[in-house]
Formats: sequence, C-alpha cells, structure tokens
Amino acid sequence: DAKTTQPPSMDCAEGRAANLPCNHSTISGNEYVYWYRQIHSQGPQYIIHGLKNNETNEMASLIITEDRKSSTLILPHATLRDTAVYYCIVRVNYGGSQGNLIFGKGTKLSVKP
Amino acid sequence: EPEVTQTPSHQVTQMGQEVILRCVPISNHLYFYWYRQILGQKVEFLVSFYNNEISEKSEIFDDQFSVERPDGSNFTLKIRSTKLEDSAMYFCASSEIGGITEAFFGQGTRLTVV
Repeated sequence: DAKTTQPPSMDCAEGRAANLPCNHSTISGNEYVYWYRQIHSQGPQYIIHGLKNNETNEMASLIITEDRKSSTLILPHATLRDTAVYYCIVRVNYGGSQGNLIFGKGTKLSVKP
Repeated sequence: EPEVTQTPSHQVTQMGQEVILRCVPISNHLYFYWYRQILGQKVEFLVSFYNNEISEKSEIFDDQFSVERPDGSNFTLKIRSTKLEDSAMYFCASSEIGGITEAFFGQGTRLTVV
C-alpha cells in the first residue's frame, strides 16, 4: 500500500497557486518524495522529487517539512491544463533500485476558470 | 522531446487469446517497466526489466505474463491467455538509470477482453 496520505480532491482558481499537501509520517531517512500527475487516464507524468531540501523546477516547487513527515507541491500559476490527479510517492533510493513506483489514489485537482 | 511510444492504443481481444503489447522506450534508457490501471483504480506496478532480465515483479505478474526485449528498440508485454479481469490500461515506462531518476511513461494501451 501507498505510504502517503493525500486529500482526495481540491479545487483551484485559474492563475492562482495550487498547494497540494501530502503526509508521509512514516518516511525513513533514505526515502525520497516524488510527485507525478496523470491527466485524464494518460500516462503518469513526472513532476519533481526531493529528499529533504526544497526543490524547484520549471513545473513546480516542492516544500518538505524539516521533520520530513509532510510535503507540499506548489503549482505557482495553475492553468486549466493542470487539471489532473496528483500522486505523492515515497520511494527508497537504494543501490540498484529499479524505480518501481507505488501509486496511491492521489489528489484530483480541478482548476476552474 | 523524446517519448515512450506504445502500440496499439486500443486492443480488443477474446478471453483466452494471447496478446502482445508493444512499447518503444526512449533510446538511451536502460530500465523498462510495465504498469497497469484498471478503470477507476490505482496505477499498479507489474514488472521492471534491466539488462535483458526481469529485476523485480509484483504479485500481479504471474505466469500468464511475460516480457521481452526482442531487439534493440522494442519492449513487449505478453499475456498468454487473457481473462476478463486483464482489461485495463497498460503503461510502459523507461528511465535512464535506476534509483532516483524519473520514469517516463507512454500514453498507454487500453486492453479490453471480451
């Protein structure tokens, strides 16, 4: 089972920041936090990942709390095309890890005009 | 931008028939995966493949399933004798290396078993 807890759904106004929370209270020291999204049954799309520092890329920012028990994905200016299911996944990175991802139910983000 | 390509986009097959789902991973990627998603349910890991052998598989990936990299570009998933419950979207993914790099997913093949 997934080791994360996410709200099942959220709404966001177009042009505003979307802040998607994720709880991962049992995360261990060698586990990374990954975010993927799935737009209407398309293949999942990688967004961002982090270990303990905050991360930013062209798509989003990832804020991880100091105790690493929760994180927030931030889409700074949500557009209608950001409507999707967002998955928060914790994954061990050990030598030889094959990248298997355990998906939960995610958060369905609806961006509204 | 390079992408993972899957064919066909939709396949309908009769129960008990064999099906082969095809994938062309990104060319310089070394790790390949299959996932499936039954309608309305979670995306589920099936199998990972590296260096011409299975490296990990889930309990879903039983003897009815097999994977193969028949040449330098294709990666296939075979279901030997399809069941109604095999109806799902099947996603192929690839990554450059294992570990923390991101996996790139194809657009999926919708398999319908009738």
